[in-house]
Amino acid sequence: DTGVSQDPRHKITKRGQNVTFRCDPISEHNRLYWYRQTLGQGPEFLTYFQNEAQLEKSRLLSDRFSAERPKGSFSTLEIQRTEQGDSAMYLCASSSVPGQGLNEKLFFGSGTQLSVL
Amino acid sequence: GQSLEQPSEVTAVEGAIVQINCTYQTSGFYGLSWYQQHDGGAPTFLSYNALDGLEETGRFSSFLSRSDSYGYLLLQELQMKDSASYFCAVRDGSTGGFKTIFGAGTRLFVKA
Repeated sequence: DTGVSQDPRHKITKRGQNVTFRCDPISEHNRLYWYRQTLGQGPEFLTYFQNEAQLEKSRLLSDRFSAERPKGSFSTLEIQRTEQGDSAMYLCASSSVPGQGLNEKLFFGSGTQLSVL
Repeated sequence: GQSLEQPSEVTAVEGAIVQINCTYQTSGFYGLSWYQQHDGGAPTFLSYNALDGLEETGRFSSFLSRSDSYGYLLLQELQMKDSASYFCAVRDGSTGGFKTIFGAGTRLFVKA
């Protein structure tokens, strides 16, 4: 399978615990996004990388969230001191974009469903 | 900032045509795309418009008017399997990068 893979598929944690999710993008893709989605809503932008550089992080995102893409391949998203409001589906997507103004086709993983008790 | 508006729900009959509208606001617009998401599934890409006009891909077409900050997705010959959520998304450069921002989605119900 050469699609975007995310691990784990489900995570249940207690409030206050730290969690880490992993995303493996399509191998030749240079851009990687993290989104958060709750029921009945669209994917909410969290952050994105071009190669290993984190280009932008949502201003709405708490400092408890951090993401890395150390070698420009896989990425991790960590949430520290989880809160019940963090419960959501966390989606990763990747793309290969040659330049500005051109079509960006995102390929999504199946997501990690986080439940904070 | 950026904002996208689309209807929350649309219902149509199998075999019919349905149009899902999207209006957007951003100071750095580069293109409008559409994604489909079935319940429990991941969003999948349908189409992209960077220039004004209509793009056709099989039963699906997408339209863009940059001057009106408006686009739509047209689904023809509706099938039951088209029941899903449809998201418009803008390729946005207002903050210096070029990221894709999604709307809240339109839930399409196709009835027999």
